[in-house]
Amino acid sequence: KNEVEQSPQNLTAQEGEFITINCSYSVGISALHWLQQHPGGGIVSLFMLSSGKKKHGRLIATINIQEKHSSLHITASHPRDSAVYICAPDYGGSQGNLIFGKGTKLSVKP
Amino acid sequence: DTGVSQNPRHKITKRGQNVTFRCDPISEHNRLYWYRQTLGQGPEFLTYFQNEAQLEKSRLLSDRFSAERPKGSFSTLEIQRTEQGDSAMYLCASSSQVGYNEQFFGPGTRLTVL
Repeated sequence: KNEVEQSPQNLTAQEGEFITINCSYSVGISALHWLQQHPGGGIVSLFMLSSGKKKHGRLIATINIQEKHSSLHITASHPRDSAVYICAPDYGGSQGNLIFGKGTKLSVKP
Repeated sequence: DTGVSQNPRHKITKRGQNVTFRCDPISEHNRLYWYRQTLGQGPEFLTYFQNEAQLEKSRLLSDRFSAERPKGSFSTLEIQRTEQGDSAMYLCASSSQVGYNEQFFGPGTRLTVL
């Protein structure tokens, strides 16, 4: 069964703190997506990675294929980073639909 | 091209009514997905199109739900005889078949069934 576990479910941080959100999945994948969802619902793709590490601004995503684990890090967090962060493994099915985690709700206080 | 668009953004309807949502994908993308997201949950897959062909449907897609993509461009999702349990955010995403399956999401349509 393809399962996705994210932790923590909720996270409150002070502005400037380093944030880590974790994602574990159950079986082999072809790639993993990290998505950001703001209140109001729109989803933005942050990263898609199949190995190693990617960095975009203050965001860093890493993946360990052997351990079936990925992390999303936010450096120097800011209140505008407050959102739900969703991990979505791509199990590489013929149709390509993603399996989504429940998300981590991040609130960054000024 | 400004990305994936969805209309309407919000829909309030009474139980038993029919509703239809529209998704306009990124123009060169031949794959189109519909997802449903309820409060506190991640999105769940509903159905998938490659060009105009509907290739996959989730068991979540009851017979009250129908989706079309008549010319391989925009898609519609219709819900007949809406129920309160249909209240959710309906998300559309598109991707190119070439390379990795990076999906681009629309802003979603929030449905409230009274």
